[in-house]
Amino acid sequence: ETGVTQTPRHLVMGMTNKKSLKCEQHLGHNAMYWYKQSAKKPLELMFVYNFKEQTENNSVPSRFSPECPNSSHLFLHLHTLQPEDSALYLCASSQDWEENTGELFFGEGSRLTVL
Amino acid sequence: GQQVMQIPQYQHVQEGEDFTTYCNSSTTLSNIQWYKQRPGGHPVFLIQLVKSGEVKKQKRLTFQFGEAKKNSSLHITATQTTDVGTYFCAGPLMDSNYQLIWGAGTKLIIKP
Repeated sequence: ETGVTQTPRHLVMGMTNKKSLKCEQHLGHNAMYWYKQSAKKPLELMFVYNFKEQTENNSVPSRFSPECPNSSHLFLHLHTLQPEDSALYLCASSQDWEENTGELFFGEGSRLTVL
Repeated sequence: GQQVMQIPQYQHVQEGEDFTTYCNSSTTLSNIQWYKQRPGGHPVFLIQLVKSGEVKKQKRLTFQFGEAKKNSSLHITATQTTDVGTYFCAGPLMDSNYQLIWGAGTKLIIKP
């Protein structure tokens, strides 16, 4: 139990489908992140939200759309994905990102396969 | 651009042997973090080093931060099967408060 819960754990979708990934953190943290993890590549930061405000969008294609309705919940809406988008999508949260000292708490990830 | 290089990519050891992974940054880091990801799991925070030349120990794990704060290492003494996984280092991106630059990880494999 990490305090960060992601659903679904596994998702298979076609290129024309619309789906969403959900993340919930029970740690009282202020910052939430979406990361993409592909095989043999460093973790790639996609989006950052701090106090519900998006503070970073790392040139992520518009087929990925984040939503942060409150400090505890984060969504990643998926639409018209490509097979190369297949990866493990990790949600994380942290407390003191402003001071750049906060450790990241990761969820267990959502394994996405795009057919 | 700013990079964090981590070597080796893989290390095969016999149980009981030592393991070391190295992390080198192209720029000076204000701090460095280490994470472990078990097979099929998610990254879990191990430690953060902040001071130049800092050395911290967690049981059989020893973490070092270089004097110039551009490199770091993780050494595991007498590996056990529970140590299996991928070890990542990560440091802050310059001029950013929330972005970490990640190494590609070193996968520790215990030979049967």
